[in-house]
Amino acid sequence: DQQVKQNSPSLSVQEGRISILNCDYTNSMFDYFLWYKKYPAEGPTFLISISSIKDKNEDGRFTVFLNKSAKHLSLHIVPSQPGDSAVYFCAASAREYGNKLVFGAGTILRVKS
Amino acid sequence: NAGVMQNPRHLVRRRGQEARLRCSPMKGHSHVYWYRQLPEEGLKFMVYLQKENIIDESGMPKERFSAEFPKEGPSILRIQQVVRGDSAAYFCASSPKGTSGTDTQYFGPGTRLTVL
Repeated sequence: DQQVKQNSPSLSVQEGRISILNCDYTNSMFDYFLWYKKYPAEGPTFLISISSIKDKNEDGRFTVFLNKSAKHLSLHIVPSQPGDSAVYFCAASAREYGNKLVFGAGTILRVKS
Repeated sequence: NAGVMQNPRHLVRRRGQEARLRCSPMKGHSHVYWYRQLPEEGLKFMVYLQKENIIDESGMPKERFSAEFPKEGPSILRIQQVVRGDSAAYFCASSPKGTSGTDTQYFGPGTRLTVL
């Protein structure tokens, strides 16, 4: 039962443009959402998070949008840079289930220069 | 400020041997989580521990896998009698509180286990 889905296995974007990575979830109990970035042979690096009481959170070039009614969140990266090329994982947690994270399968982002 | 430390980074075992993976959380963090990533998949939760306590082991296989986080020293994930299907990347994460759903978890570099 895949509760967090990232339906795009990969995304290719030109340097300087916007990258939009999408994530859908099925469990309405989720109340905290995070995005992690991962390079090969390294651990996931925390990027940005959002609580379910908000619909937007911004940190520099990264903005996360949450649409609770659609059970959808997205990560916007503007402007995209070649160093952003990595695998991006969406993750969710619920207070009801303690602190464990449920991850999507990831989206490979390639930023072309 | 050292991040989450894991060792070894790479571990090769033959079928039937034991694998021990170690994790030292970030300074000031008392909550540790273990996740496993199989090839071409996302990370899957295994176990959540505080010092000397297992809080949630709902993601741990029922046999051969165990975890501990002693009062002193790192957290250990132990896999007995390894099989080829145990080959994966094992990631440890830590958080400062773990008592709410909004604590950010920070990950270590992972241990890549290969079972021959």
